[in-house]
Order: sequence, then structure tokens, then C-alpha cells
Amino acid sequence: AQKVTQAQTEISVVEKEDVTLDCVYETRDTTYYLFWYKQPPSGELVFLIRRNSFDEQNEISGRYSWNFQKSTSSFNFTITASQVVDSAVYFCALSEGKETSGSRLTFGEGTQLTVNP
Amino acid sequence: DSGVTQTPKHLITATGQRVTLRCSPRSGDLSVYWYQQSLDQGLQFLIQYYNGEERAKGNILERFSAQQFPDLHSELNLSSLELGDSALYFCASSVGTQATYNEQFFGPGTRLTVL
Repeated sequence: AQKVTQAQTEISVVEKEDVTLDCVYETRDTTYYLFWYKQPPSGELVFLIRRNSFDEQNEISGRYSWNFQKSTSSFNFTITASQVVDSAVYFCALSEGKETSGSRLTFGEGTQLTVNP
Repeated sequence: DSGVTQTPKHLITATGQRVTLRCSPRSGDLSVYWYQQSLDQGLQFLIQYYNGEERAKGNILERFSAQQFPDLHSELNLSSLELGDSALYFCASSVGTQATYNEQFFGPGTRLTVL
């Protein structure tokens, strides 16, 4: 069975600090996909990134960066120079890769990030 | 805006009642997924449809059912509602034609409150 663990329930930082959100996953599949979603106070789920299991390159998008390490089954998310608008719940998710019609997402418990001015 | 629409945005009803939640996927997406987000269970997958057919089931109660219509919109039916069914229900859609691309885009959700 698949499992995603986000051990940090809540994180509070001051604006401009860097913050890393941890994600550890479990799967028996050799092909899988990892995702991060953001849920701001308004409630919608916003897609941030998808990473394939066979691509361990780290990725940077503006102030966001992701560190994927298969050896430790981790897919961590770092926000550099955090801003108040980054305050949200962040979810890490895992999907199997074998279904051609798409596969369900298994979500972690989420990390509530609060960025204080 | 993800391109996925859900109606209604809010729904308040009583125990024992039945409600229908509606979802329209992004144009061109064949797969529709339903998820439930509650305080005690977190975000959980309920069911998936692909081009009109049920493809996968998750932690969906027998009181709940869903379908996907020929125009690809989907409905989630919740019956004999209980207080514990109060939650945010998300619909998501994806292209669904290849395993290498199953990025899901979520609708704004329907917040169900059972009194």
C-alpha cells in the first residue's frame, strides 16, 4: 500500500525566512509520481509540481525548490524568502504510474505553514 | 482557475437526507476523481471514472455513489447523510490517456454541512 507522511503538522516562520516542508513516501511501485499541492485559506487545491520516479533532478521555480531523493524516499519542498502569501496548507501526494487512465492520489496529512510579517 | 467546476459551492442539509454534487471536468479531460477532505480523515480518494466507466474505488461508503455521463460531467450522490459526512468534497480531472501524465487539477470543492 502507498503512504505519504508529512511529519510537520504546523510550521510558523517570519517573513523572508527560508522554510522546508518534509515529505516521506512509501510505495512498492517502481514507477510512480510525486506531487505537491497548496491549499490556501480560500480552500481550493492548487497544483505546484509533479515529479516522476525516474527523474531525480531537483527543480527550482522562482522561490520554490524541490529535492527528490529516492534513497531516502523523500520529496521535500523549500520556500526561499517566504512571504505572507505563502501561508497555506501544503500537501504532498503520491500516485501510481501503471494505470493508463490515470491513478488516484494518496495524500499526506498536510503541513500548515504560517508566515508572519 | 483550474478549469474544473463544481456546484454547489456550499450545501447545508439534515441527517438522513440525500444530496447530489456536480462536477464538470476540464475540457478534454477523460478522468474524473472524487475526494473527501474532513478534519479526522484528511484528504481521501473516493472514486474515479474514466470516459464514463468506473475505474477505481477508494474509501467510499456504500451510501455514496457516483457516475460519469456521456458529456463527461460527473455527479456524486450521498444518501442517508450522517453528521460525519460533513466535509469538503473535491472533484479533480486529468487527461487520463497515458500513465506518464496523470496530473490532476482540482475544482473549488463543495462544502457539505450535515446538521
